[in-house]
Amino acid sequence: GESVGLHLPTLSVQEGDNSIINCAYSNSASDYFIWYKQESGKGPQFIIDIRSNMDKRQGQRVTVLLNKTVKHLSLQIAATQPGDSAVYFCAERPDSSYKLIFGSGTRLLVRP
Amino acid sequence: GAGVSQSPRYKVAKRGQDVALRCDPISGHVSLFWYQQALGQGPEFLTYFQNEAQLDKSGLPSDRFFAERPEGSVSTLKIQRTQQEDSAVYLCASSLAGYGAYEQYFGPGTRLTVT
Repeated sequence: GESVGLHLPTLSVQEGDNSIINCAYSNSASDYFIWYKQESGKGPQFIIDIRSNMDKRQGQRVTVLLNKTVKHLSLQIAATQPGDSAVYFCAERPDSSYKLIFGSGTRLLVRP
Repeated sequence: GAGVSQSPRYKVAKRGQDVALRCDPISGHVSLFWYQQALGQGPEFLTYFQNEAQLDKSGLPSDRFFAERPEGSVSTLKIQRTQQEDSAVYLCASSLAGYGAYEQYFGPGTRLTVT
């Protein structure tokens, strides 16, 4: 299948370690944020979301942090596994809109 | 249940040819989106349908791009007189409702290569 993210920044972590992927978003009026995971040859897969009235949300092994002051979003993955290897995109939804604006992505490589 | 499906998965077109890309959204999903993803980039919004109504086509790069969803379910993205810069992965996403229901479910994409 096609390769996603040939020229993306790469984060390499050891299996079992925690991963932190960062994203700077552009629109201070955005009210909703999502992290997507994209494996080669597949479409983006929803991981976790957060609304602008929150600063932290936890899922299973994942946590999203939102800092509206500096327009920064991060995704924390606990106990990273080989199956977590993929390209990760943050996306924002500008207020009163329905479209998503995606960031440029980060490739996560998990070393066994 | 079945997710969003797209066909064909791969399409090679000679420059100047017309292509049609199909999207089958999740049954019952009101909203349908098309995105274009260039190699190494995040998806970029092309157009949005709510049922059969195309509410936003601001992301379509030129008048060679046309999308339709005549019965509010299956959608087709058509590109006329393809150019090399049209080479990309075209992603379709659907959502249960419009504004207020946020999660968009993506299909696997159609990779278009224009030679």
